[in-house]
Amino acid sequence: AQSVSQHNHHVILSEAASLELGCNYSYGGTVNLFWYVQYPGQHLQLLLKYFSGDPLVKGIKGFEAEFIKSKFSFNLRKPSVQWSDTAEYFCAVNEGLTGGGNKLTFGTGTQLKVEL
Amino acid sequence: NAGVTQTPKFQVLKTGQSMTLQCAQDMNHEYMSWYRQDPGMGLRLIHYSVGAGITDQGEVPNGYNVSRSTTEDFPLRLLSAAPSQTSVYFCASSRIQGAGNTIYFGEGSWLTVV
Repeated sequence: AQSVSQHNHHVILSEAASLELGCNYSYGGTVNLFWYVQYPGQHLQLLLKYFSGDPLVKGIKGFEAEFIKSKFSFNLRKPSVQWSDTAEYFCAVNEGLTGGGNKLTFGTGTQLKVEL
Repeated sequence: NAGVTQTPKFQVLKTGQSMTLQCAQDMNHEYMSWYRQDPGMGLRLIHYSVGAGITDQGEVPNGYNVSRSTTEDFPLRLLSAAPSQTSVYFCASSRIQGAGNTIYFGEGSWLTVV
């Protein structure tokens, strides 16, 4: 079975600091990779996704992620965080093509707090 | 376009009571699923469906039933609620063909079992 690891459970940053959240997955085949964000009291919103092509993926709100197949990693980055980025961030993966359906396996999440 | 709609948003149940969480999507998505979110555990898949009349179990199906009589609706039933089912529940939907489909989530249903 797939597993997804997010090693940073809580991250506290000052505004304008750079962000990198780690995500590693265990599945050895073709995968689709996602980062979702959940603002307090709200539902999950897709930040970005990777399923093929350029391993550097750009998403909404200035976020980007890099797929490194050899490291089974899909780390999320943002050069300069804002107070409004305070949220919980989830990495998720599902198996590529249509064989695995769209069943997502989620990491445990990283709670990001950005201080003014 | 409403997307994925869940009701109710908040519910308190007594142990042993039954209830149904409703989920509807208006995007004609084949795939629908239910997740539960618990602190420190991320989201875990309860049940999913790849089309009307087809359902299957996810990672944590015990204590929950589902059915899919139409493309639009995918209700989740708790037959005899237990405190361990206190959680936030999210319904999700997506197209099923093609890789990397975006999966859309509802706004969540907060359930407390006392």
